[in-house]
Amino acid sequence: DTEVTQTPKHLVMGMTNKKSLKCEQHMGHRAMYWYKQKAKKPPELMFVYSYEKLSINESVPSRFSPECPNSSLLNLHLHALQPEDSALYLCASSPRQGTTTNEKLFFGSGTQLSVL
Amino acid sequence: GNSVTQMEGPVTLSEEAFLTINCTYTATGYPSLFWYVQYPGEGLQLLLKATKADDKGSNKGFEATYRKETTSFHLEKGSVQVSDSAVYFCALGQAGTALIFGKGTTLSVSS
Repeated sequence: DTEVTQTPKHLVMGMTNKKSLKCEQHMGHRAMYWYKQKAKKPPELMFVYSYEKLSINESVPSRFSPECPNSSLLNLHLHALQPEDSALYLCASSPRQGTTTNEKLFFGSGTQLSVL
Repeated sequence: GNSVTQMEGPVTLSEEAFLTINCTYTATGYPSLFWYVQYPGEGLQLLLKATKADDKGSNKGFEATYRKETTSFHLEKGSVQVSDSAVYFCALGQAGTALIFGKGTTLSVSS
């Protein structure tokens, strides 16, 4: 299994809603990532987990809350989002620590989020 | 700090044309260089990579050579197909820092 699976594929939420994005991989990777991608822009790193511990938080607003329950799962909890948070949210994984020079990132297909 | 600059798109080509997408970088030390591709409605996939100077990465007819003297990693393909239409991202990886992406270049190939 060489896939990173993200659910849901599409999500529409109001500014007062609470929702969660889910990501799963069964490749034994120990680093997992959340990226945010606006249309026609490169992905922007949000969070990195290495060995289930948060290792990088790129000054993301607290309305985004990551969670790594185990080495295969990564969640992103959303609360009180703003319309400007509408974007494609991509999960990725890599074999080791996430900051190794030549590691390949495996990306999921993303969750397209719309905040109304 | 480290950075990646790639040519702005969109690039529009006819099938079987030659493709070049320019990418240059700024970094201290010896980074690894990557090309990722994003097809419509999908996440990014690694297309090819090179980890040291003069390395050539290749995959699916695409090639890129790590040129330290010109700090470049240009993507080339001799004959593009309609199925190559996608967004291409050049990226730089270095120990201790997260991957740095260029702004992306949209390629459209028509038959």
